[in-house]
Amino acid sequence: VVLTQSPGTLSLSPGERATLSCRASQSATSSYQAWYQQKPGQPPRLLLYGASTRATGTPARFSGSGSGTDFTLTISSVEPEDFAVYYCQQYGSSPPMYSFGQGTRLEIK
Amino acid sequence: QLVESGGGLVQPGGSLRLSCVASGFTFSSHVMSWVRQAPGKGLEWVSGISRSGDSTNHADSVKGRFTISRDNSKNTLYLQMNNLRDEDTAVYYCAKCSWAPYYNMDVWGNGTTVTVSS
Repeated sequence: VVLTQSPGTLSLSPGERATLSCRASQSATSSYQAWYQQKPGQPPRLLLYGASTRATGTPARFSGSGSGTDFTLTISSVEPEDFAVYYCQQYGSSPPMYSFGQGTRLEIK
Repeated sequence: QLVESGGGLVQPGGSLRLSCVASGFTFSSHVMSWVRQAPGKGLEWVSGISRSGDSTNHADSVKGRFTISRDNSKNTLYLQMNNLRDEDTAVYYCAKCSWAPYYNMDVWGNGTTVTVSS
């Protein structure tokens, strides 16, 4: 599965709404889809799984939606600590493997 | 918690073995993976292994050169890397995988750096 994230870079001011897109080359079960946040010098952190379920510790301003080949991560009101790179992920069962998108960088405008 | 070790500088064609020690959860109950990140690049899944270790999978980019294994008695995950290439230069993360019905990586180590260069 090839995952294409858009935009590559998103420039926003704190308080604005962020919408990040992930498009898959083939349809997948929503339970196979996840989003991660990565800050410089840190490992990735699981944000959302099953396309829309927040992981432990993920603030309520983060939400996920989508199905089939199109998935979206939304940050309702961007906080200063949200500026980071976001990756989408899909699991494929035949053969078992994970795919990641190329990432969307959320930067301060 | 996951703590990786074993990274370093190696010449092309050389070998390295990475280790990842797990604590704070029942290691033998979880599928595990290795994920790497080349400098300034995105994430690439490398290898995965079943709970018992009897089933493994590798990305095409490392198939035939890398081998993932585990020792559940030592709570340790391994990645044997042979015939290393320049393009294997990356930070290597081990990750605990959630399994059925959700498939994701919910715990990550801080990574160990592998540099392949002459």
